Amino acid sequence: DAGITQSPRHKVTETGTPVTLRCHQTENHRYMYWYRQDPGHGLRLIHYSYGVKDTDKGEVSDGYSVSRSKTEDFLLTLESATSSQTSVYFCAISSGRQEETQYFGPGTRLLVL
Amino acid sequence: QQQVKQSPQSLIVQKGGISIINCAYENTAFDYFPWYQQFPGKGPALLIAIRPDVSEKKEGRFTISFNKSAKQFSLHIMDSQPGDSATYFCAATDSWGKFQFGAGTQVVVTP
Repeated sequence: DAGITQSPRHKVTETGTPVTLRCHQTENHRYMYWYRQDPGHGLRLIHYSYGVKDTDKGEVSDGYSVSRSKTEDFLLTLESATSSQTSVYFCAISSGRQEETQYFGPGTRLLVL
Repeated sequence: QQQVKQSPQSLIVQKGGISIINCAYENTAFDYFPWYQQFPGKGPALLIAIRPDVSEKKEGRFTISFNKSAKQFSLHIMDSQPGDSATYFCAATDSWGKFQFGAGTQVVVTP
């Protein structure tokens, strides 16, 4: 998976609790992305980062925040988890825009009860 | 609202047959169209990609056909093999590099 790890790989939590997912890369790529994958919706962009401390919203950013204090780490936080945030979360990286391949991590399966 | 519409949702094809997946888009600013392949429990991986100045691109048994005027593109898997059984996603992006993905097609190749 191109030097990308995600932690945890599985998590069960309760509604209303904060949750932080971590993406770590060893490729020194500039761009990092968080997606969620749900049946019938494909992959939807939550947030992305184009450099340390530079982030922007994707199409489904409500209820999520991100931080990137180092090139290699991109954190996704669910401020107060809801059942609608039960999903599989993928981190992706790329060295540049557009035609540069996005490499995906192995995913984190999150269940919010 | 999905900016890239993908069909069918699933398909079953016999070994040796042709799998065809179609995608359509509206945003004319899109100018890069990759396809990703995903196996269960894994992240998506780039399979093949095309730019709209080319009408067709072939890599091995995988071919993308692109129709710019119709704003449609498709993936053809020739001589489908059981190892091709996976979920396939089309995607589109503009110069800013934010990808829009289709909903995915689950392909099952029967022996």
